[in-house]
Amino acid sequence: DTGVSQNPRHKITKRGQNVTFRCDPISEHNRLYWYRQTLGQGPEFLTYFQNEAQLEKSRLLSDRFSAERPKGSFSTLEIQRTEQGDSAMYLCASSLGQASGGYTFGSGTRLTVV
Amino acid sequence: DQQVKQNSPSLSVQEGRISILNCDYTNSMFDYFLWYKKYPAEGPTFLISISSIKDKNEDGRFTVFLNKSAKHLSLHIVPSQPGDSAVYFCAASRGIQGAQKLVFGQGTRLTINP
Repeated sequence: DTGVSQNPRHKITKRGQNVTFRCDPISEHNRLYWYRQTLGQGPEFLTYFQNEAQLEKSRLLSDRFSAERPKGSFSTLEIQRTEQGDSAMYLCASSLGQASGGYTFGSGTRLTVV
Repeated sequence: DQQVKQNSPSLSVQEGRISILNCDYTNSMFDYFLWYKKYPAEGPTFLISISSIKDKNEDGRFTVFLNKSAKHLSLHIVPSQPGDSAVYFCAASRGIQGAQKLVFGQGTRLTINP
C-alpha cells in the first residue's frame, strides 16, 4: 500500500487550455474526495465519490470542472478553459467509509495557469 | 462565510514547552472534529480527532479539547519538539462516527525553537 497517489505533481498551463489530474486512492478505500487549496487558506471541499457514484459537489465546482471515478477505483478531475483563478493545489483523499481516523491525503497536484 | 476559524496565523514555542493551537466554529451541526498537520510539498496528515460526545481525546503528546458551548476546540502538544514545526489545520464534519465532507480552518503555522 503506497498511500494516495496523485499525478502529475506539478502542471503549468496557459489560460484557456484544458487540464486533467489523476488520483489513485488506497486500494480498499471506497470513498474518494477532491479538495482545492490556495495560498494561506485551508483545503476547500470540491466533490466526493462513494465507489463510482458522485455523491456531493460543491458550488465551487463550476461547469468547467468535472470529476469522474468510472470503476470506483482511480479518479480524474478535469478543468476546461482554465483561468488564472484556477491556480491552486488540488488535493485528493480517500477513506473507508466514515473514517474515525480522518482520511488519507495525497501530496497534491499544483496547478499554475499563466 | 468562514465556518471554521483559526485566528492565529502563526505561533512560536520553545522546544519542550506546551504548544496550544486554537480553533473556533460557527455551525452547531458539526459533530466531528479533526486536526491535520501539513509539511511543505506534502498533503495534510491526520493527527487526532474528537466527536461531540466527548470533551477530550488524548494520543501520546497530543490532546484535543472540545468546548461545545463555546464552539471552540484546541490542540495541546506536550512537550513540543522541533519536528512538530508545520502548519496545523483544524477541520469539522457532520457525522458523529467519523469524517465526511470536511470544512477546514485557514491553518496556524507552528514553529518550535530549539
